[in-house]
Amino acid sequence: DAKTTQPTSMDCAEGRAANLPCNHSTISGNEYVYWYRQIHSQGPQYIIHGLKNNETNEMASLIITEDRKSSTLILPHATLRDTAVYYCIVRVIGAAGNKLTFGGGTRVLVKP
Amino acid sequence: NAGVTQTPKFQVLKTGQSMTLQCAQDMNHNSMYWYRQDPGMGLRLIYYSASEGTTDKGEVPNGYNVSRLNKREFSLRLESAAPSQTSVYFCATLSLSSYEQYFGPGTRLTVT
Repeated sequence: DAKTTQPTSMDCAEGRAANLPCNHSTISGNEYVYWYRQIHSQGPQYIIHGLKNNETNEMASLIITEDRKSSTLILPHATLRDTAVYYCIVRVIGAAGNKLTFGGGTRVLVKP
Repeated sequence: NAGVTQTPKFQVLKTGQSMTLQCAQDMNHNSMYWYRQDPGMGLRLIYYSASEGTTDKGEVPNGYNVSRLNKREFSLRLESAAPSQTSVYFCATLSLSSYEQYFGPGTRLTVT
């Protein structure tokens, strides 16, 4: 699986959009970009994933650059409950074991 | 629909003691996983089971054994606990329709 690079931490104001970058410059053509988050002491929670088109769901939007070497997770209206560690993961769907490899993630603090 | 459940939630062991962490899922997913998360770190895969009757080693399998009892249950055993195994243990499943992983609430294990 391709390696990802994320900022260690970032702050965001409540009610504003939070834009979380992820660099995956060695991504392969068949690797998807996944985002998970982990709220303190809880198990990770799936947010969104995509291959090359931008994706949106009820939680967030995922913007993938045309060359697929980076992506941005957008939380449109951050709330205090969005304070968490956000993990960007790239992997091949259907690869042996379908294992997720978690890096360090970005620690997001939403401030009032 | 409970999703992924883990027992116990908390456990304290003395060095050399053994115990089994239990995981059960009611989502009818074939693949199940055990991860550990040390303080301030990302998740690391211990073992996984792609389907009932199969298990494979992950990134950090030493000191652990697993058993896929049936499709619903996947247990993790520590035969002789060591302080280095103090961690939070997460069980997860994988949906092959969406390739989302679903995580349990975790078991917090302390080995003294």
